[in-house]
Amino acid sequence: GIQVEQSPPDLILQEGANSTLRCNFSDSVNNLQWFHQNPWGQLINLFYIPSGTKQNGRLSATTVATERYSLLYISSSQTTDSGVYFCAVLSGSRLTFGEGTQLTVNP
Amino acid sequence: DTGVSQDPRHKITKRGQNVTFRCDPISEHNRLYWYRQTLGQGPEFLTYFQNEAQLEKSRLLSDRFSAERPKGSFSTLEIQRTEQGDSAMYLCASSLGYTTEAFFGQGTRLTVV
Repeated sequence: GIQVEQSPPDLILQEGANSTLRCNFSDSVNNLQWFHQNPWGQLINLFYIPSGTKQNGRLSATTVATERYSLLYISSSQTTDSGVYFCAVLSGSRLTFGEGTQLTVNP
Repeated sequence: DTGVSQDPRHKITKRGQNVTFRCDPISEHNRLYWYRQTLGQGPEFLTYFQNEAQLEKSRLLSDRFSAERPKGSFSTLEIQRTEQGDSAMYLCASSLGYTTEAFFGQGTRLTVV
């Protein structure tokens, strides 16, 4: 099956810093989504981005499907951005998740 | 529309007991997915439905697991003879179509003691 790799696995930032999270996938995909998992375990949709670039406030994402990667940018990070960020790709009939990036933003 | 709803949010059960979880998808979403997530890992696919038809099951879904989606609306996931290894977060998601955005519920956290 398709492989999804996220990097870095852990990231610690000071409030106000910028960061880039990366998602590599091993095969062509029909869909790619970024999620933020809150402390209670719910997956919050950030972006649905099979290709191209999208922005939502301090967050933006870019997917280059031909090169099989996606990037999530977080600018001017806040403590509330802390948590686990997942990339998930749709290949066949299922979403396959990466292992996530654990982000900690310190005040 | 209040999004995908799962019940219960938490379940503690003794080993060997049966448990059943419920998922109510976003109305009009014809695809419904079940995932399992253990600590420190990403969610893993278990099964999915298109309307009432269960079209794919992961090899993670042992014979003790069964899922249904009667009438293509809500879905249930039953685990029989629970084992400690079944302790996990069980997540449900729904989407309108094949390549459209999937939305997840709050999850059911199962602890088998």
